[in-house]
Amino acid sequence: AAGVIQSPRHLIKEKRETATLKCYPIPRHDTVYWYQQGPGQDPQFLISFYEKMQSDKGSIPDRFSAQQFSDYHSELNMSSLELGDSALYFCASSLSGAATNEKLFFGSGTQLSVL
Amino acid sequence: GNSVTQMEGPVTLSEEAFLTINCTYTATGYPSLFWYVQYPGEGLQLLLKATKADDKGSNKGFEATYRKETTSFHLEKGSVQVSDSAVYFCALSVPSGSARQLTFGSGTQLTVLP
Repeated sequence: AAGVIQSPRHLIKEKRETATLKCYPIPRHDTVYWYQQGPGQDPQFLISFYEKMQSDKGSIPDRFSAQQFSDYHSELNMSSLELGDSALYFCASSLSGAATNEKLFFGSGTQLSVL
Repeated sequence: GNSVTQMEGPVTLSEEAFLTINCTYTATGYPSLFWYVQYPGEGLQLLLKATKADDKGSNKGFEATYRKETTSFHLEKGSVQVSDSAVYFCALSVPSGSARQLTFGSGTQLTVLP
């Protein structure tokens, strides 16, 4: 079965550069979530989208922005990168609207290293 | 607000030992509870879940029971294997309109020695 696909798998950037991370949800999933996991830390919720609209916002810096497209894939844009942005960025998807569906399906993550 | 408190690691066990990883939570409303596992270099994978009080989630020999009276969801396995070595995250979600987000615990690193 198709899973959540994230690209790239690894990304190396320098300070003050920009980065774009992509997430392709499971087919028919209409909700996408982004999480940031720093080294040795628990995942922190950044932002989520439902039907191409932002639905929830967590601890996402102002330097980051995200959007969901008509095919439901999502992109996380990160500007003015800082060393502290080095982390594993997870995307997850779900099919919203089903009251019994509490499952999120996670991608394998994009490891971002800022040098 | 919502929060999850997990037993601090790392935890090191010998193969076939009994495993318990404690997890307690604070939440508004009626949360669903989850255990996720993260193997080295990989993404989070749902291990098991429980959506209401007294539910028992189980998978791959792991079990956890949703205890509303103690606000706990402890993870147990009777006989661990080397392949169980990973980081385990307890998490909860409380529905918020059409969007849901997970609140994670800090994770517990488990190492199983042969």
